[in-house]
Amino acid sequence: KNQVEQSPQSLIILEGKNCTLQCNYTVSPFSNLRWYKQDTGRGPVSLTIMTFSENTKSNGRYTATLDADTKQSSLHITASQLSDSASYICVVSLYSGAGSYQLTFGKGTKLSVIP
Amino acid sequence: DSGVTQTPKHLITATGQRVTLRCSPRSGDLSVYWYQQSLDQGLQFLIQYYNGEERAKGNILERFSAQQFPDLHSELNLSSLELGDSALYFCASSVERQGTQYFGPGTRLLVL
Repeated sequence: KNQVEQSPQSLIILEGKNCTLQCNYTVSPFSNLRWYKQDTGRGPVSLTIMTFSENTKSNGRYTATLDADTKQSSLHITASQLSDSASYICVVSLYSGAGSYQLTFGKGTKLSVIP
Repeated sequence: DSGVTQTPKHLITATGQRVTLRCSPRSGDLSVYWYQQSLDQGLQFLIQYYNGEERAKGNILERFSAQQFPDLHSELNLSSLELGDSALYFCASSVERQGTQYFGPGTRLLVL
């Protein structure tokens, strides 16, 4: 069964600190992995997309890593800001044939940045 | 602002009723996706259309249906509504079948 597991479920950090969120997946055949940021009650916003051959991708203070061998990804946030408080969702895309792709979503990590 | 619009923003209806949610993708985007997000739950992928054709199906109930029109806007029809259908429904669009998805603001549905 294709699954995406994220940890921790929730995290509280002090403003200015760094943190790392984890994503493990069993999706196969893997196409790409995405990280989204979702503010409460708003639509998710794409942070990064990585294909099989990419190990790392950055978007400002966000850096995503991918190890396709161990099927793990992480999202590292540096110098956290209050505005980083949100849910971070890991999404894995698999090729389902006939030009179609399926997306499997993790349940997200809820990050709270406090002053 | 992602460029994806959804209407209505809020919808309150009764069990057994039928509603239609509308989505206009970003200009130039051919793919439209529908998602359901219940309270404290993760996003559930429902269905994807690409240039008018159904491309992928997720956990979409038989009571739900969708279509994408020639002008590329999409509608999600929910019928025989149940209390458990109360959720945020998001639409997203992308240029290609696999590209970055841009999410709309969502429609909040409350079934009483």
